[in-house]
Amino acid sequence: EAGVAQSPRYKIIEKRQSVAFWCNPISGHATLYWYQQILGQGPKLLIQFQNNGVVDDSQLPKDRFSAERLKGVDSTLKIQPAKLEDSAVYLCASTGPPHYGYTFGSGTRLTVV
Amino acid sequence: GQQLNQSPQSMFIQEGEDVSMNCTSSSIFNTWLWYKQDPGEGPVLLIALYKAGELTSNGRLTAQFGITRKDSFLNISASIPSDVGIYFCAGQPGQAGTALIFGKGTTLSVSS
Repeated sequence: EAGVAQSPRYKIIEKRQSVAFWCNPISGHATLYWYQQILGQGPKLLIQFQNNGVVDDSQLPKDRFSAERLKGVDSTLKIQPAKLEDSAVYLCASTGPPHYGYTFGSGTRLTVV
Repeated sequence: GQQLNQSPQSMFIQEGEDVSMNCTSSSIFNTWLWYKQDPGEGPVLLIALYKAGELTSNGRLTAQFGITRKDSFLNISASIPSDVGIYFCAGQPGQAGTALIFGKGTTLSVSS
């Protein structure tokens, strides 16, 4: 089966600019996650979707981050305006029955200068 | 929030040696998973554990779900150069589908 697709792979922006990332999960996977991975750390959950509804966005910095999954398939994550500390790899993952492990995409590496 | 303590932070070993790493938590988890991440890629699932006390193998890898449900270890036997990478433990506190909590990773270097 095709994996989780993410784009772009790399992005460099200046602080205060906006940026968007895209994710297409594995076909049929109802649950989609966005994780932020800062260099030297493990991934940290930003937001979880079940179909097109938000399950958990408690760790999403909502003053600057937003995410949507309008048709319950692919998803976009946006940062506006970006800060230097947003430099990280943004990973998308999806899961479906029987819900063990997740399949991660290759991630988008964001550098804010 | 919940945190996982993963150790060691890094390991430098010779090819052929065995490796052991572990994760502990102050909270109970229902599922423990071990992932490997290569540079520029997302984490790839190695082993998933679903029951306290469960011992599972995947080739040269063996992992166990601690009896207290607050810890897990991963062993790699007879390491080879392609074992190089960052290994993450992850715990799932709730039912299937709930978000994973990750450790900070163990960076493994193997010299031939």
